[in-house]
Amino acid sequence: EDQVTQSPEALRLQEGESSSLNCSYTVSGLRGLFWYRQDPGKGPEFLFTLYSAGEEKEKERLKATLTKKESFLHITAPKPEDSATYLCAVRRGGGSEKLVFGKGTKLTVNP
Amino acid sequence: GAVVSQHPSWVICKSGTSVKIECRSLDFQATTMFWYRQFPKQSLMLMATSNEGSKATYEQGVEKDKFLINHASLTLSTLTVTSAHPEDSSFYICSARSGGEVQPQHFGDGTRLSIL
Repeated sequence: EDQVTQSPEALRLQEGESSSLNCSYTVSGLRGLFWYRQDPGKGPEFLFTLYSAGEEKEKERLKATLTKKESFLHITAPKPEDSATYLCAVRRGGGSEKLVFGKGTKLTVNP
Repeated sequence: GAVVSQHPSWVICKSGTSVKIECRSLDFQATTMFWYRQFPKQSLMLMATSNEGSKATYEQGVEKDKFLINHASLTLSTLTVTSAHPEDSSFYICSARSGGEVQPQHFGDGTRLSIL
């Protein structure tokens, strides 16, 4: 069974304090690992797709990396507006459309 | 680009009524749309996948007679919760994807459903 585990569940940072969020996964034939940001009461906002081990993608203060077992979302010099829940999801191979989501990491950045 | 609009954003209704939720892709054609439920502090759980003009594919444990899905056009899908009960109260979120399977899903802002 496909599984996605995100850690930590919650993370508090001071503005400017860099850190990383972890997404460990078990999936048969990975066909994409997705990072989303979700604000309270809103739907997830797409950030990145990673397809193969070694791949990296960046957007502003965020950088996502992928290995065969996990993905990291690195946040460099975060700002209060980066506060949100960050979700990781995987899609398996074999023609399945299904995304399996983790429970997310709630990030709070204090000014 | 890739904007998905979901309506209404919240609904409060009495037990036994049916509720319809709309999901529209505003600036792209969605070949596939998805419906999820999300309970507090839990993962998004896929309920069903629908392709335009076809019957929806439901996940195991999701009652297709209770959660009616219609995907009548490339920009609109609807979810109808029939004879809703308090246990159906949840946050329902739709997503849409265009083109090939490597494209990401783009999500609406969800509908908070409360059944009294």
